[in-house]
Amino acid sequence: DSGVTQTPKHLITATGQRVTLRCSPRSGDLSVYWYQQSLDQGLQFLIHYYNGEERAKGNILERFSAQQFPDLHSELNLSSLELGDSALYFCASSSLGANYGYTFGSGTRLTVV
Amino acid sequence: SQQGEEDPQALSIQEGENATMNCSYKTSINNLQWYRQNSGRGLVHLILIRSNEREKHSGRLRVTLDTSKKSSSLLITASRAADTASYFCATAASGYSTLTFGKGTMLLVSP
Repeated sequence: DSGVTQTPKHLITATGQRVTLRCSPRSGDLSVYWYQQSLDQGLQFLIHYYNGEERAKGNILERFSAQQFPDLHSELNLSSLELGDSALYFCASSSLGANYGYTFGSGTRLTVV
Repeated sequence: SQQGEEDPQALSIQEGENATMNCSYKTSINNLQWYRQNSGRGLVHLILIRSNEREKHSGRLRVTLDTSKKSSSLLITASRAADTASYFCATAASGYSTLTFGKGTMLLVSP
């Protein structure tokens, strides 16, 4: 157990639907990062939150949004889902940022049918 | 676009042999990190080497960094079947707060 908790582990949904992925960071970590992993694109950075504030955006589609709550857990919202959104979505947390390494959760496997 | 590119894409060796994976990157970095991912699971941080370091060791892992060539290598000595996984390099570019990952090297260690 890495200390980063992601729920749900698996999600199957239909095209056009909306889902919410949840992440609880390791105790004491203020930063949360979201990544999408697919076979063809590899690990793509989506978004970074630090203590409730958005700090950086990567290749995140406009249909996707995220937020970090006062208790530091984060949610990634994916809407108008398409088949191509099927992927593993990882959350990682860090106490000291990219210069010290991330702790990853076990991921949410999203399948859009 | 990916910052790091690992080479080879896949590597198959026997237990007891050494495994070497390489990573090349494009821009100036603060540090370079290596992660391991067992099939379909979360990534695990292995080792970090800063831009002013040339070599670092951790157990059976040895990492080198050549900033003039913008490249790094990860050596796993005396490989075990349990080392079977994908290995990713990740770079923290100067001035950026996030890590950029390569596409990884799949390592298969056969008993």
